Amino acid sequence: GQQVMQIPQYQHVQEGEDFTTYCNSSTTLSNIQWYKQRPGGHPVFLIQLVKSGEVKKQKRLTFQFGEAKKNSSLHITATQTTDVGTYFCAGSRYSSASKIIFGSGTRLSIRP
Amino acid sequence: NAGVTQTPKFRILKIGQSMTLQCTQDMNHNYMYWYRQDPGMGLKLIYYSVGAGITDKGEVPNGYNVSRSTTEDFPLRLELAAPSQTSVYFCASRETSGTDTQYFGPGTRLTVL
Repeated sequence: GQQVMQIPQYQHVQEGEDFTTYCNSSTTLSNIQWYKQRPGGHPVFLIQLVKSGEVKKQKRLTFQFGEAKKNSSLHITATQTTDVGTYFCAGSRYSSASKIIFGSGTRLSIRP
Repeated sequence: NAGVTQTPKFRILKIGQSMTLQCTQDMNHNYMYWYRQDPGMGLKLIYYSVGAGITDKGEVPNGYNVSRSTTEDFPLRLELAAPSQTSVYFCASRETSGTDTQYFGPGTRLTVL
């Protein structure tokens, strides 16, 4: 079945350092979405990427979708304490576009 | 708009009991989803629905049932609760035009003892 893997599982950084999480799928994806979940909260949608090689930016966050549409990354520049949380990627296949499978997530913690 | 609402917020069940987790959305979304999230883990898809009267299994459907009689409601039924079903359950709805944003409810924290 479809699998979506994320690395690293945890990342602890000094405030101001950069952070990157990587997402890899065992199958080609029709699209990929990124979510943020604060401790004790629910996932909140950040962005969706659809096109091969697509790059999108939201302030200090940069999202990339691989050329083969099987991997993606989220990069945060100059982390702030408000970036703390778990970041999830989620994707769906062309054959079942309505079925969204989540990666295992990367938990980001920050030293002030 | 209230968005996606879930009830109850918390529940403790004994092994073998049954219950229904309620989920309602007021955004007129056709797509709705149920996920479970075990402590410190990611989200696993239980069931999903692409419209009233249509449901399909996700990654971990065993021990659960769903129905979708209206666009707004997507209840999740646990028939014979087991300790392995202790988890936080999230319902979500998704718009299917524009950004395809998936909106999550606040979750139901279920403990089975």
